[in-house]
Amino acid sequence: QSVVTQPPSASGTPGQRVSISCSGSSSNIGDNNVYWYQHLPGTAPKLLIYSNNQRPSGVPDRFSGSRSGTSASLAISGLRSDDEADYFCAAWDDSLNTWVFGGGTKLTVL
Amino acid sequence: EVQLVESGGGLIQPGGSLRLSCAASGFTFNSYWMHWVRQAPGQGLVWVSHIISDGSDTNYADSVKGRFTISRDNAKNTLYLQMNSLRAEDTAVYFCAREAQTLDDAFDIWGQGTMVTVSS
Repeated sequence: QSVVTQPPSASGTPGQRVSISCSGSSSNIGDNNVYWYQHLPGTAPKLLIYSNNQRPSGVPDRFSGSRSGTSASLAISGLRSDDEADYFCAAWDDSLNTWVFGGGTKLTVL
Repeated sequence: EVQLVESGGGLIQPGGSLRLSCAASGFTFNSYWMHWVRQAPGQGLVWVSHIISDGSDTNYADSVKGRFTISRDNAKNTLYLQMNSLRAEDTAVYFCAREAQTLDDAFDIWGQGTMVTVSS
């Protein structure tokens, strides 16, 4: 059971906008930065968003992040077939003194 | 090219030991904190351990504390994870990751992972 929870799946059609939620608590998301990672099984996970809403160099602006209270979300606009992957949120947890990851959301592009 | 490459995974019996390696290239390894993160089959990512840049401080998830040891050899640009007293629940793909302080401690570079299977 993950400390930070995500829906197990999400889907959308090409060109659509989808949003993936990440729910935590005051000891993690509520008090610390949220990060989002994209992972295709068998490959290296990729950083998409850091500090709640910042994109590293090279990540297209179709990807955006936000945080409100103890929840965060990742939005993907102009959905493409190669966006099909697993998406994980993460944050530092002050109570557990560890990094915590969400259980992951599998995005399917229909 | 900035790269992390894990190795050392395999099939091991319960109670056995294994040492994972993570070879870093394309960046100044001794400037970065490094982490191990694992993913059990069908499950999400779970943080395992970290080590600071000079190796003088480490931290572990409760599930591996006392059994796993993280270390690094900055002269060889290599990160290690010594895993002892392995259990079935340690079965997972193990990733090494770089923590970027310039990106507010994000894990900005990851390896592709190495599979560890603990089974008799």
